[in-house]
Amino acid sequence: AQRVTQPEKLLSVFKGAPVELKCNYSYSGSPELFWYVQYSRQRLQLLLRHISRESIKGFTADLNKGETSFHLKKPFAQEEDSAMYYCALGSGNTGKLIFGQGTTLQVKP
Amino acid sequence: DAGVIQSPRHEVTEMGQEVTLRCKPISGHDYLFWYRQTMMRGLELLIYFNNNVPIDDSGMPEDRFSAKMPNASFSTLKIQPSEPRDSAVYFCASSTHRGRPDTQYFGPGTRLTVL
Repeated sequence: AQRVTQPEKLLSVFKGAPVELKCNYSYSGSPELFWYVQYSRQRLQLLLRHISRESIKGFTADLNKGETSFHLKKPFAQEEDSAMYYCALGSGNTGKLIFGQGTTLQVKP
Repeated sequence: DAGVIQSPRHEVTEMGQEVTLRCKPISGHDYLFWYRQTMMRGLELLIYFNNNVPIDDSGMPEDRFSAKMPNASFSTLKIQPSEPRDSAVYFCASSTHRGRPDTQYFGPGTRLTVL
C-alpha cells in the first residue's frame, strides 16, 4: 500500500538550530516526492520536490530509496520557518498525491 | 493567472442547512482535488476529478457530501444536511499530469463552521 509517514506531529527548535523533518514512504514503484508548507492560516504551497534537486528558503531534501525516506533539512532555523509541513507522494499514473499527517515546526526565539 | 480560487472564504451555518463550496481551478489544469483539513485528522482527500469526471470519491465521508464539476473551470462541493462535525477548512487544488504526478496548486480554502 502507498503510504506517507511523518512520525512527529510537533517539532520545536530554537532559532539558529538545525532542523530535520522526517518523512518515510511506502511505494513499490519509482516515487515522486514533494514537501508542502502551510504558514498560519494560509494555503498550502509547494516548498520543493525531489526531481528539482533545489534548495528553497534554505531547505533541502534528499530522496533515499534504500531507507525509503525524504527528510527535509535546514542547517539554521529561522522564526519565519514556523509552519505546518506536509510530505507527499505522487501516486503512479493517477495524478493523486498521498499526504502525510503533517509536522508543525515551531522555531523559538 | 490568479491561481485556484475558492468561495466563500468563510462560512458559518447552522446544523441541518445546505452548504455549497465553490472552486475555480487554474486554467489548463485537468485535475481537480477537494481536501478537508482538521486538527484531528490532518489533510484528507475527499474526491478528485480528471477532465471533469470524478475518478475517486472514496474519501467522501457520507452521502451527505456530493461534488460536481460541470465544466473545466468550475467545481462545487455540497454538504446537505450539514453537521457540527463537518466544521473544517476545505481546500480545492488543481494540477496537470503529463505522464507523472505534478505539483498541486491549492486554493486559499473555505473555513466552514457548523453551529
